[in-house]
Amino acid sequence: KAGVTQTPRYLIKTRGQQVTLSCSPISGHRSVSWYQQTPGQGLQFLFEYFSETQRNKGNFPGRFSGRQFSNSRSEMNVSTLELGDSALYLCASSWKAAPEMTDTQYFGPGTRLTVL
Amino acid sequence: ELKVEQNPLFLSMQEGKNYTIYCNYSTTSDRLYWYRQDPGKSLESLFVLLSNGAVKQEGRLMASLDTKARLSTLHITAAVHDLSATYFCAVVTGQGAQKLVFGQGTRLTINP
Repeated sequence: KAGVTQTPRYLIKTRGQQVTLSCSPISGHRSVSWYQQTPGQGLQFLFEYFSETQRNKGNFPGRFSGRQFSNSRSEMNVSTLELGDSALYLCASSWKAAPEMTDTQYFGPGTRLTVL
Repeated sequence: ELKVEQNPLFLSMQEGKNYTIYCNYSTTSDRLYWYRQDPGKSLESLFVLLSNGAVKQEGRLMASLDTKARLSTLHITAAVHDLSATYFCAVVTGQGAQKLVFGQGTRLTINP
């Protein structure tokens, strides 16, 4: 079974621009979560989507947004990029029978975003 | 607010030795995960621990959970170089939530 895939793998942007990252979950997984990893803050939860609905949101500004499509693929958008947004963005998928359940998350390879 | 703390943060050890990584968390949680991350790579799921006293083993790694003490341990037996990586514990917040709160990670280096 194919794992979680993320595109692009690497991205360089300048301050003020916006960026869209894409994630395709493992086949059959309906839950997709996003995390930001930086050397200073570590791994931080951004949001979770289940069946096209946002279920949880972390403590990030409104510049960070996401969505999920009917095929469970998810996108994350960051607008008005700041230098501090440089990070590895990880997507994780899990098989949950229902939105209120919890299950193991399997991570994709990540998108390395550099903001200049 | 749930906090997860690991120690040590850095660990350098010789092949063949045993060591333990500790993971403390501040509030009750449904489950605890251990992940491994190699440099420049993503997170690989190692163990999920669901109940008090749970113990899981895979090769030279063994994880355990004490929910009363809010403590999990990852024990490495007779370390080999291939186990060099950063290890994270992560705790789920709230019932039915997928939000993982991660520890800072323990960077493990195993020297021949």
